[in-house]
Amino acid sequence: GAVVSQHPSRVICKSGTSVKIECRSLDFQATTMFWYRQFPKQSLMLMATSNEGSKATYEQGVEKDKFLINHASLTLSTLTVTSAHPEDSSFYICSAVPRRLTEAFFGQGTRLTVV
Amino acid sequence: GQQLNQSPQSMFIQEGEDVSMNCTSSSIFNTWLWYKQDPGEGPVLLIALYKAGELTSNGRLTAQFGITRKDSFLNISASIPSDVGIYFCAGPNFNAGGTSYGKLTFGQGTILTVHP
Repeated sequence: GAVVSQHPSRVICKSGTSVKIECRSLDFQATTMFWYRQFPKQSLMLMATSNEGSKATYEQGVEKDKFLINHASLTLSTLTVTSAHPEDSSFYICSAVPRRLTEAFFGQGTRLTVV
Repeated sequence: GQQLNQSPQSMFIQEGEDVSMNCTSSSIFNTWLWYKQDPGEGPVLLIALYKAGELTSNGRLTAQFGITRKDSFLNISASIPSDVGIYFCAGPNFNAGGTSYGKLTFGQGTILTVHP
């Protein structure tokens, strides 16, 4: 089956520092990956679409300079939270859709805590 | 934009009971997806529906794609403690070029608690 791996699963960082989260498709190539944010007991909110070899597409209200996305290969997308603040603390999840399929598969998620 | 209204928001049931949840939309979807999310994990796909009227089962789970293409339901029969989690319906977003299957709109989720 299609496997999407996300790393790290948990990270604690100090305010003002940057944190990088990786999303890998392990057994398929993904020209497009998606990054979501989720607050406790709430639904997933799409942040941006990560496009291999080109700039990411951000949803309205998401700061592109705050949440840097890089999709350097067909199996890896990274999300960097820059100059993190406590309000950036959240659960971040990535997803990808294998070619010839239509269902999205999700990573395990990353719990970010900014102190 | 596209929105999915999912209900109920939460359910507290006894082990062995059946569960039903549904999603409705003001716009047409050509695919309905049902995911389950365990605490601290990413969503896992349970059932995918592609055709209006389609009824699909996956073990104790059954889901249907409404004939109007604006609704879907998920049933869980004979619930067990490991059914605990958040269940989401989702549908692919539409854009100018057509349907983007990876870019999903999610329902608000149904939090399921199962008492032994």
